[in-house]
Amino acid sequence: SQTIHQWPATLVQPVGSPLSLECTVEGTSNPNLYWYRQAAGRGLQLLFYSVGIGQISSEVPQNLSASRPQDRQFILSSKKLLLSDSGFYLCAWSRLRGFEYNEQFFGPGTRLTVL
Amino acid sequence: SQELEQSPQSLIVQEGKNLTINCTSSKTLYGLYWYKQKYGEGLIFLMMLQKGGEEKSHEKITAKLDEKKQQSSLHITASQPSHAGIYLCGADMGGAGSYQLTFGKGTKLSVIP
Repeated sequence: SQTIHQWPATLVQPVGSPLSLECTVEGTSNPNLYWYRQAAGRGLQLLFYSVGIGQISSEVPQNLSASRPQDRQFILSSKKLLLSDSGFYLCAWSRLRGFEYNEQFFGPGTRLTVL
Repeated sequence: SQELEQSPQSLIVQEGKNLTINCTSSKTLYGLYWYKQKYGEGLIFLMMLQKGGEEKSHEKITAKLDEKKQQSSLHITASQPSHAGIYLCGADMGGAGSYQLTFGKGTKLSVIP
């Protein structure tokens, strides 16, 4: 069966510090990978998605970046955090395009607080 | 404007009561997905609907997609405290096989014992 891991679970960082959140998927190959941010009152916001190693699409202009160094590893980064980066970050995976369904399966999330 | 509207935003029901949550769009929903989230946790996939008029059930939860594929409802029968959480609908609005899902803002459900 497939599992998705995220770490750390919680993080408190000062403004201007760097960020690295990691997501890994087990039990599947060539997944689509996604990073979302969930903020109160705003719902789920898609930040990045990836359909393969080294392939990243950005949905929202921001000071965040994403990388996919391995097939089942997805990393969210920032060089300098802003207060507005605080939120709950969720990683998700789905099967490759071409399947009939596109349900996404989510990790446990990382709670980021920028002070 | 929000492409997927969920209603109500929050709901408090007595244990044992039935309830319905709605998810509406002005655009065609090629795939409609229902998720449940406990506060501070990830989303748990519940059900997926694709065809107009489709209905699926899992235990005491039933989801329907209307014939026009622009509205879905989630119905819980005889609610229990374990049903409490945030319910989110997500939809594939870009055509069959597209990568992205658009999500509603969620409905917070509280069940009073």
